[in-house]
Amino acid sequence: DVKVTQSSRYLVKRTGEKVFLECVQDMDHENMFWYRQDPGLGLRLIYFSYDVKMKEKGDIPEGYSVSREKKERFSLILESASTNQTSMYLCASIPRLAVNTGELFFGEGSRLTVL
Amino acid sequence: QKEVEQDPGPLSVPEGAIVSLNCTYSNSAFQYFMWYRQYSRKGPELLMYTYSSGNKEDGRFTAQVDKSSKYISLFIRDSQPSDSATYLCAMNLIYSNYQLIWGAGTKLIIKP
Repeated sequence: DVKVTQSSRYLVKRTGEKVFLECVQDMDHENMFWYRQDPGLGLRLIYFSYDVKMKEKGDIPEGYSVSREKKERFSLILESASTNQTSMYLCASIPRLAVNTGELFFGEGSRLTVL
Repeated sequence: QKEVEQDPGPLSVPEGAIVSLNCTYSNSAFQYFMWYRQYSRKGPELLMYTYSSGNKEDGRFTAQVDKSSKYISLFIRDSQPSDSATYLCAMNLIYSNYQLIWGAGTKLIIKP
């Protein structure tokens, strides 16, 4: 089974702190994504990466950055956390050849609270 | 106006009922349509996907796409308490770099 692992399920941080969210997938997928999920807004794409060291902005990249140094690992960084970044963060991956099915494999999510 | 509209619910039905979940969309260029299921405190998982118009059946689930009306549906027959979850529709354009457009999700509750 494909496994996408998000290292932290629940985090509480203070305004201004730097936050790292880590995601690891074990199926050699080329593409990885970071979404945030908020009630009534669905999933919004923050960043995605289609290869090592490659990244593309999604719909809401402001206040976030990402790092992909290894194929299996995709990190989301909040340089200076703010209260409006309190949310559920979901990491996902998909193999390059699955573009038409859209079958994203998601992690269990990281719920971040910024005080 | 959002590109994809989905009633957030909650939708509460008795066990055994037929459930209909729906999304409407505005971009007629969408080609691929998916339904994801998300249990509480879990990530979404793909339930079904369809290409273009028509029906697709998988066990108790049927996905329906009506491109002329820009409307997609997911039907669940013989609903079970284990079907209680949030159902998200998603769609994309061909050659879109996997950038799905998501509905907000409908919370479904099946009462025993």
